[in-house]
Amino acid sequence: EVQLAESGGGLEQPGTSLRLSCAASGFNFGNFAMSWVRQAPGKGLEWISSSSGSGAGTYYANSVKGRFTVSRDNSKNILYLQLSSLRAEDTAVYYCAKTLAPGTPRPTFFDSWGQGTLVTVSS
Amino acid sequence: EILLTQSPATLSLSPGERATLSCRASRSIATYLAWYQQKPGQAPRLLIYDASNRAAGVPARFSGSGSGADFTLTISSLEPEDFAVYYCQHRSNWLFGGGTRVEIK
Repeated sequence: EVQLAESGGGLEQPGTSLRLSCAASGFNFGNFAMSWVRQAPGKGLEWISSSSGSGAGTYYANSVKGRFTVSRDNSKNILYLQLSSLRAEDTAVYYCAKTLAPGTPRPTFFDSWGQGTLVTVSS
Repeated sequence: EILLTQSPATLSLSPGERATLSCRASRSIATYLAWYQQKPGQAPRLLIYDASNRAAGVPARFSGSGSGADFTLTISSLEPEDFAVYYCQHRSNWLFGGGTRVEIK
């Protein structure tokens, strides 16, 4: 059974940094592109970043480009998201998600999701 | 950048009724579209991918259709557990539509 578990969220001040983790199990992690999707309170889903299976390919939404960095440790089956220069508008639940098909260099659709971790940015 | 527009924003229906949700792309995206369901306090769930393929474990009452720029998610007969928010998503840029809330009338 595929399992994804995010951690690392919390209450942070504007301008600070934070690292989120997503521990994966139940599938060959290194064979799948992975993504981060966030959801601000009461709002819709926003894709923010993806990583190819190897980690060599990374992709970012314009809203986080230059501030967030996605990475992965395939030996530990963990996906990371480093958040920097945090803003109030980064307040959201952050989900990690697995892409549907193995071996694709870019994610396609997201067939498994974690339960999310809440990041609150406030002074 | 390809944008997705979902309509209506809210759909008020009774259990047993048919639900028809629309997703329109700003230009043709072939069949590179997925539908997700999200219930309050839960992560999204993949329902349909490549416009018309049901994901594993998704009941047959959910069906997707369309190609090019116009897509439809149909729930043939609403069950109580189907009242939720539904999002469409483009495969190539991973952007989501704004969502349609299906609520109990």
